[in-house]
Amino acid sequence: EPEVTQTPSHQVTQMGQEVILRCVPISNHLYFYWYRQILGQKVEFLVSFYNNEISEKSEIFDDQFSVERPDGSNFTLKIRSTKLEDSAMYFCASGTGGSYEQYFGPGTRLTVT
Amino acid sequence: ELKVEQNPLFLSMQEGKNYTIYCNYSTTSDRLYWYRQDPGKSLESLFVLLSNGAVKQEGRLMASLDTKARLSTLHITAAVHDLSATYFCAASGAGSYQLTFGKGTKLSVIP
Repeated sequence: EPEVTQTPSHQVTQMGQEVILRCVPISNHLYFYWYRQILGQKVEFLVSFYNNEISEKSEIFDDQFSVERPDGSNFTLKIRSTKLEDSAMYFCASGTGGSYEQYFGPGTRLTVT
Repeated sequence: ELKVEQNPLFLSMQEGKNYTIYCNYSTTSDRLYWYRQDPGKSLESLFVLLSNGAVKQEGRLMASLDTKARLSTLHITAAVHDLSATYFCAASGAGSYQLTFGKGTKLSVIP
């Protein structure tokens, strides 16, 4: 069964450094999302992406964040200058749109020290 | 602003018993989702409810949606240990694909 994959599974970085989190959505999906979950808390929406542009974003998704679909398969989230409070599990999700389902990847645990 | 509230946040139940998790949302929502999360794992989609009165069942889990009351329920029948996990509900606003999640219900099924 197709699934969303994410790399790396765990990323440790120093405050102020740039990180890129990578996702490979399910191949026929057209809608892509990033969510994050701070340890022990609820899942929060960051951004959605459709037709090569951002369709929605939350207040969390400020100028330090960007997303890109550099080729036909990858979907990336970049944090330009990480802060301690960016430490969280970052989930990528994808969907067809028609069924409204969103399928989540296994997540990347980002630790900012 | 769409807000989603779940209760209870913690639930300890005996095997074989029935229980219901409640999910309230604050404004009109197009869709209601239920996900399961095991510790350290991703979110597994359980149900997507699209219309008032929708009811879906999978094994010991049954989800329903009442859009007039802005309420969804996840009913657990004859709980077994394998159902121990955190269950999240999420809603999306009209015309939006953004999911707003509740805080989750941590379910522990004990023998």
